[in-house]
Amino acid sequence: GDSVTQMEGPVTLSEEAFLTINCTYTATGYPSLFWYVQYPGEGLQLLLKATKADDKGSNKGFEATYRKETTSFHLEKGSVQVSDSAVYFCALGSGNTGKLIFGQGTTLQVKP
Amino acid sequence: EADIYQTPRYLVIGTGKKITLECSQTMGHDKMYWYQQDPGMELHLIHYSYGVNSTEKGDLSSESTVSRIRTEHFPLTLESARPSHTSQYLCASSEGQGAGLFFGSGTQLSVL
Repeated sequence: GDSVTQMEGPVTLSEEAFLTINCTYTATGYPSLFWYVQYPGEGLQLLLKATKADDKGSNKGFEATYRKETTSFHLEKGSVQVSDSAVYFCALGSGNTGKLIFGQGTTLQVKP
Repeated sequence: EADIYQTPRYLVIGTGKKITLECSQTMGHDKMYWYQQDPGMELHLIHYSYGVNSTEKGDLSSESTVSRIRTEHFPLTLESARPSHTSQYLCASSEGQGAGLFFGSGTQLSVL
């Protein structure tokens, strides 16, 4: 069945460092891909998405490119801030149910 | 303002109690979902609905039940709560394939 695998955390970075969180997927067909962010005690917020191969999603300095050849959707940010500390989830959606399959989440901690 | 609301935010109850977690959305979305998030952060789909009078079980077996009598309302009920039900419950809605999910803030349930 469809699945998503993220790099294990926690990831600890200093402020202004470069961020990469790896995400790979297994799916039949052509899924849509998403990154969500969850701050402590809150629900998930959609960060960015891509619906077809080679699409690049971007938001708030974060970006990710849908790579069909490597079945990947890695999240990147050029310069992280303390306020980016959160849990990040990669997800895929396929079929017409609209439901998403999530990776296990990666905790990011940014230190001043 | 279009949004999705969950109540209560926190609930502590004793074993054997019946509880209902409320979820309402004002976006007019047909598709709605319940996810259970365990302490390790993984998200598991437990119920979803395509529209009024439609409910389906998700990927993770759950002793909870749901109903969808109105488009905007998708409550989840536990007839007899147990400590194993302690978890964060997240409600979401979607406008369709590729659109992603909009999440509520969640209900943190603790069963003593």
